[in-house]
Amino acid sequence: GAGVSQTPSNKVTEKGKYVELRCDPISGHTALYWYRQSLGQGPEFLIYFQGTGAADDSGLPNDRFFAVRPEGSVSTLKIQRTERGDSAVYLCASSLGSVLETQYFGPGTRLLVL
Amino acid sequence: SQQGEEDPQALSIQEGENATMNCSYKTSINNLQWYRQNSGRGLVHLILIRSNEREKHSGRLRVTLDTSKKSSSLLITASRAADTASYFCATRNSGGSNYKLTFGKGTLLTVNP
Repeated sequence: GAGVSQTPSNKVTEKGKYVELRCDPISGHTALYWYRQSLGQGPEFLIYFQGTGAADDSGLPNDRFFAVRPEGSVSTLKIQRTERGDSAVYLCASSLGSVLETQYFGPGTRLLVL
Repeated sequence: SQQGEEDPQALSIQEGENATMNCSYKTSINNLQWYRQNSGRGLVHLILIRSNEREKHSGRLRVTLDTSKKSSSLLITASRAADTASYFCATRNSGGSNYKLTFGKGTLLTVNP
């Protein structure tokens, strides 16, 4: 079956602009995660959804970052007033209901803020 | 924050040789997983080892876990050029917040044909 998909693959924007990154999880996966990966680093946790609700958003770096999952499937990560330091690869993952299940990652969105 | 720390940071070997990568972590874990990443994009899950397991095999992969030393190793036998990638260990804590994975910085493996 289809894996996790993310759009766009690449996004170039200017400092101060607003961006939205989309994640389509594997069908039937109730848990969804966003991670951010800076150059030369491993992914770092941003937010975790169980169903429609954000169970843990403690990894979001500041209030410019926000994520939603209104119908418990597709999720959108929103970044307001982008800064150059937001440049990174944003990875989405999903897993079956249990938190101990394997997380399956999408190909990521590479964000470049000029 | 990064918990797992892989070493070496980079490893270059010839095709057919074995590659060993190590990972250390700091907290009590429920399980430890290894992922592979090509060209800085999506992560592919390779293998999961639970805290009560000491060794696990999957094809050419062998993973060991020593919870007393808080360390794990990933061995790739008979390496191929296609194994060239970055390899990350990721831990899942045994306590609260056990849904999130904590990754190390990764080992960049280059297999020369």
